[in-house]
Amino acid sequence: AQKITQTQPGMFVQEKEAVTLDCTYDTSDQSYGLFWYKQPSSGEMIFLIYQGSYDEQNATEGRYSLNFQKARKSANLVISASQLGDSAMYFCAMREGQGTNAGKSTFGDGTTLTVKP
Amino acid sequence: DSGVTQTPKHLITATGQRVTLRCSPRSGDLSVYWYQQSLDQGLQFLIQYYNGEERAKGNILERFSAQQFPDLHSELNLSSLELGDSALYFCASSVPRDGAETQYFGPGTRLLVL
Repeated sequence: AQKITQTQPGMFVQEKEAVTLDCTYDTSDQSYGLFWYKQPSSGEMIFLIYQGSYDEQNATEGRYSLNFQKARKSANLVISASQLGDSAMYFCAMREGQGTNAGKSTFGDGTTLTVKP
Repeated sequence: DSGVTQTPKHLITATGQRVTLRCSPRSGDLSVYWYQQSLDQGLQFLIQYYNGEERAKGNILERFSAQQFPDLHSELNLSSLELGDSALYFCASSVPRDGAETQYFGPGTRLLVL
């Protein structure tokens, strides 16, 4: 069975600094996708970044990058130059398969990030 | 605005009742996903449809059912509601591509079962 572990219930970071949110996963599948989502206090869910298991390069989207270490089964989210608006809950997720063959998703418990001015 | 719409935004109902949540994906997105977020169970994947067909099933109760219509909108039906079904239900849509994917979430439907 798939499992996602986010070991940091809460994190603090100073504005303009970088922060890493940890995520480890467990799967026996060879093909899978890894996702990060942001949920501000307003409740909406925002997709941030995606990494496929066959991707050799780390995914990047603006200030977000995914540090993918396949052998260690980790998919940490790095946020550079933190902003006050980054304060939110962050979820790591994994989905079986990729592309049009993608299937069931599993989510971690989330990490609450607080950016200090 | 993600382009994904969900109705209603809020729903209050009683135990034993049945409700229908509706989702309209972004134009052109063939995949629709349903998720449930509750305090005790966290964020859970319920079900995925791709171009009208069920593609993947997660922790969806037998009392719940969903479908995706030819116009690609989707409905999630929740029946025999229990207090524990109170949650935020999200719909998301995407265009899955090998090697890349972006998901777009709707604003959610907040269900309260009294």
